[in-house]
Amino acid sequence: AQSVTQLDSQVPVFEEAPVELRCNYSSSVSVYLFWYVQYPNQGLQLLLKYLSGSTLVKGINGFEAEFNKSQTSFHLRKPSVHISDTAEYFCAVNQGGSEKLVFGKGTKLTVNP
Amino acid sequence: GAVVSQHPSWVICKSGTSVKIECRSLDFQATTMFWYRQFPKQSLMLMATSNEGSKATYEQGVEKDKFLINHASLTLSTLTVTSAHPEDSSFYICSAREGHSGNTIYFGEGSWLTVV
Repeated sequence: AQSVTQLDSQVPVFEEAPVELRCNYSSSVSVYLFWYVQYPNQGLQLLLKYLSGSTLVKGINGFEAEFNKSQTSFHLRKPSVHISDTAEYFCAVNQGGSEKLVFGKGTKLTVNP
Repeated sequence: GAVVSQHPSWVICKSGTSVKIECRSLDFQATTMFWYRQFPKQSLMLMATSNEGSKATYEQGVEKDKFLINHASLTLSTLTVTSAHPEDSSFYICSAREGHSGNTIYFGEGSWLTVV
């Protein structure tokens, strides 16, 4: 069975600082990996995804993530955050061929001035 | 990217009544849609997978007679919470897979249900 672990439930940072949100997964087969962002009282918006190919994936809003198969990780990074990046971030995985997404518990990113 | 829309965004209903939430894929056809439930400050819990033209597949522990799902067309799935109780109050989110986009799943804006 797949599982997703987001190691940090809350990450406070100052504006313009870099940030890394960690995500580890467990699966015995190949997977597709996703990061979603959820702003308060809204649905989820896709930030980026890894399906195959280059392990460094660039997404919207200046975010990027790197797939590391040996460490089973897919950490999300941004070199300089803005106040508007304050939101909940969810890492998700599904096995190749499966339609179900398994979500991590989320990481609340708070960007302070 | 693809757009998935939910309606209503907010709904308040009395205990014992039923309420319907719609999920539409606006610019693509979705043979499969998914319904999630999210409790405050928690992650999303998959409730069921909705398949166009066939019965939904429910996750373990989800009452299919309470959460009725209908996927009558390639662009619309509905979730009906029957005989709602206060403990059904939650944020319900649907998602849809765009058939030929490499497994990308797009989410609706979510629907807040409050049962009083």
